[in-house]
Amino acid sequence: QQPVQSPQAVILREGEDAVINCSSSKALYSVHWYRQKHGEAPVFLMILLKGGEQKGHDKISASFNEKKQQSSLYLTASQLSYSGTYFCGTRGGLGIQGAQKLVFGQGTRLTINP
Amino acid sequence: DAMVIQNPRYQVTQFGKPVTLSCSQTLNHNVMYWYQQKSSQAPKLLFHYYDKDFNNEADTPDNFQSRRPNTSFCFLDIRSPGLGDAAMYLCATSRRSFGQGGDEQFFGPGTRLTVL
Repeated sequence: QQPVQSPQAVILREGEDAVINCSSSKALYSVHWYRQKHGEAPVFLMILLKGGEQKGHDKISASFNEKKQQSSLYLTASQLSYSGTYFCGTRGGLGIQGAQKLVFGQGTRLTINP
Repeated sequence: DAMVIQNPRYQVTQFGKPVTLSCSQTLNHNVMYWYQQKSSQAPKLLFHYYDKDFNNEADTPDNFQSRRPNTSFCFLDIRSPGLGDAAMYLCATSRRSFGQGGDEQFFGPGTRLTVL
């Protein structure tokens, strides 16, 4: 079942902060975050594997609330290069085969203006 | 540099004319995926290979087939493309994940398919 992302689109000025949420009606075993720029392939940002886990690099970080079945991606002091569509992905099934698959949310389009 | 390569980058075909898209990887990853992505939508998994084991998604049309002759190469065959099959086709790879979380997926640049 596809996770739900919110908001669907965000427009910011450079230097502003953004939060993108990803939630699921099913239990989440992990959450993956990817960014896709227009006309390009998705690029991996990070995986969160455990409830309560937080990760980050540069000014992009994420948290994972396993009990609430949701994850949030935080972009701090946004840069022009952060523009793109952000997808969360959740595990697509059970077992070894399921662990390899991702079901992506519908995406959040982030536009950073100068 | 280790990478995922897709050929061609752009493919134009006629309605009903079979087409094959190719993907190769130098990452030596066990798992390879094919996704279909339509404009402003999320990538949708068509199938994946876990080593040689082929795993088809339940809602992938029979019109789509795949081959993985060896670890490095994977092909997507569309037997009779329809107008609705026009999309970006993304190939991705990952290491085998034994845990519940899965592993990072590395995407190729994609092949944009146009059906006339």
